[in-house]
Amino acid sequence: DIQMTQSPSSLSASVGDRVTITCRASQTINNYLNWYQQKPGKAPKLLIYTASSLQSGVPSRFSGSGSGTDFTLTVNSLQPEDFATYYCQQSYSIPRTFGQGTKLEIK
Amino acid sequence: EVHLVASGGGLVQPGGSLRLSCAASGFTFSRYAMNWVRQAPGKGLEWLSYISADSGMIYQADSVKGRFSISRDNANNSVFLQINSLRAEDTALFYCARGFGSFDYGEFLDYWGQGTLVTVSS
Repeated sequence: DIQMTQSPSSLSASVGDRVTITCRASQTINNYLNWYQQKPGKAPKLLIYTASSLQSGVPSRFSGSGSGTDFTLTVNSLQPEDFATYYCQQSYSIPRTFGQGTKLEIK
Repeated sequence: EVHLVASGGGLVQPGGSLRLSCAASGFTFSRYAMNWVRQAPGKGLEWLSYISADSGMIYQADSVKGRFSISRDNANNSVFLQINSLRAEDTALFYCARGFGSFDYGEFLDYWGQGTLVTVSS
């Protein structure tokens, strides 16, 4: 199975900050990496697919990059609604695996 | 508008079974793959199972192989997850999610249901 490791596991930031979350795969996954946002009590929401494509309706302050084994999710100018938990997921092979999550909290 | 509504969860004793359902609307269900993902209380996301649009391809996580079974009914726009031999560690919120894109080239989960809670306890 491909292991997905996110860092950091938690992050404190302020409104207006720029934050970066990283995701590392245990083997190459090309660019088959997706990012999801989950707020408490809600289902996950797709933000970024195939490493860098922004899902329709997602604000442009979210961006993704990377290929191979190393990927990043960047949020520019954090807004209050961005404080949530973020997960990466590989869709290169079965089983699909998620990172352990990064909880983004208000400083 | 795409809607996925999961149901069928509940309190079940260890060793018991449940059949989870996910009703889809707002899109041509028969053209899309579907997945089930679960989340134990306070934990992360765990992918469980995939079924292709025509049910020709089915994949499962090793952790549930032999106990969980995915199926779908395209005539009634529904996907199911039969879960058997339940254990305490199966307690989780179970989500259905639509798969978009080619399975072999970076499928992603673009719409998710609200989840149905399965609690395994005596």
